[in-house]
Amino acid sequence: KNEVEQSPQNLTAQEGEFITINCSYSVGISALHWLQQHPGGGIVSLFMLSSGKKKHGRLIATINIQEKHSSLHITASHPRDSAVYICAVRSGIQGAQKLVFGQGTRLTINP
Amino acid sequence: DAGITQSPRHKVTETGTPVTLRCHQTENHRYMYWYRQDPGHGLRLIHYSYGVKDTDKGEVSDGYSVSRSKTEDFLLTLESATSSQTSVYFCAISVGTLETQYFGPGTRLLVL
Repeated sequence: KNEVEQSPQNLTAQEGEFITINCSYSVGISALHWLQQHPGGGIVSLFMLSSGKKKHGRLIATINIQEKHSSLHITASHPRDSAVYICAVRSGIQGAQKLVFGQGTRLTINP
Repeated sequence: DAGITQSPRHKVTETGTPVTLRCHQTENHRYMYWYRQDPGHGLRLIHYSYGVKDTDKGEVSDGYSVSRSKTEDFLLTLESATSSQTSVYFCAISVGTLETQYFGPGTRLLVL
């Protein structure tokens, strides 16, 4: 069993729908990252969370430390949101930030 | 993009040949990382560096070595490339007190 599990692996939705991507992890962590990888391959950091909730535009990320679970929500989805979304967790003390990654969720938003 | 470049961006090589990938940053960040990305595995850490001449292994370090003689450059070497090292390689740095990771554009390596 992977230390970081994402669901679903693939998600197709219509433009305007509310999207939820889930991430569960099995180790103690100090922070959790959500990343976005576009079809061209570039990887962009969206959020880093250690507790609670963060919002940036139409994207919202939440984390429940007790349940070892995080969700990424996209409101009013748009075709440009089509990408692979990757969850990654960091454990251990501050210093070199070794991350463990989920396998990603491929999101396709149809117009 | 935090000033990260990778070279080459694409490479085709033959089994048994040495290959060196370069990661260059322009902002003197301390921590640098090399990852590989493969279908079904996600991103996996190969090696990382926490300063000039200070490096350590990640989870998939076998067959790879690294060097960091200058803050701005982190080199990944495949001493004798194998087909199992066909992958997309990403370099990353971590920045600031929040230690956000920024990724380079990636290098596609094909070992025939």
